[in-house]
Amino acid sequence: KAGVTQTPRYLIKTRGQQVTLSCSPISGHRSVSWYQQTPGQGLQFLFEYFSETQRNKGNFPGRFSGRQFSNSRSEMNVSTLELGDSALYLCASSVGQGYYNEQFFGPGTRLTVL
Amino acid sequence: AQKITQTQPGMFVQEKEAVTLDCTYDTSDPSYGLFWYKQPSSGEMIFLIYQGSYDQQNATEGRYSLNFQKARKSANLVISASQLGDSAMYFCAMRGNQAGTALIFGKGTTLSVSS
Repeated sequence: KAGVTQTPRYLIKTRGQQVTLSCSPISGHRSVSWYQQTPGQGLQFLFEYFSETQRNKGNFPGRFSGRQFSNSRSEMNVSTLELGDSALYLCASSVGQGYYNEQFFGPGTRLTVL
Repeated sequence: AQKITQTQPGMFVQEKEAVTLDCTYDTSDPSYGLFWYKQPSSGEMIFLIYQGSYDQQNATEGRYSLNFQKARKSANLVISASQLGDSAMYFCAMRGNQAGTALIFGKGTTLSVSS
């Protein structure tokens, strides 16, 4: 079974631009979560989608948004990029939303904002 | 509020030795799951092991075992017979059962295995 895939793997943008990251979950997985990882803040939860609905959202500004499609693929968008948005963005998928469901992570998208 | 604490920023171990990575947690949820992930320098998070709050026995997966002490709210990861490939960052994570809770992570422990 193919794992979680994320595209692109690397991205360089300038302040003020916007960016869209894509995540394809493991086949059969309906829940997709996004995380931001930085050296200073560690791993922080962004949002979770299940059946095309946002079920949970972390403490991030409205510049961060996401969506999930009917095939469970998900995208996240960051508008008006700031230097502090430079991070590794990780997507994870799981079968369902229960606390007992393991989340399987993709390789991440490393975003650099100049 | 939920919280995960990993107090060891770095650990050093020789090949073939066992090592314990500490993790304590805090939650008011009666039902929750505890997870350990490994993150090599490549960045990908690799799921290692899971322990449910109601599981009576400690979880084991190959060389990984989870020392779950519910009363102490600790969920330490034990790696037996360390290998050079075990060198990585290790994260303890938890998710509660209440609606709207997310998987939260500790700050991580860097494990270095030497020959």
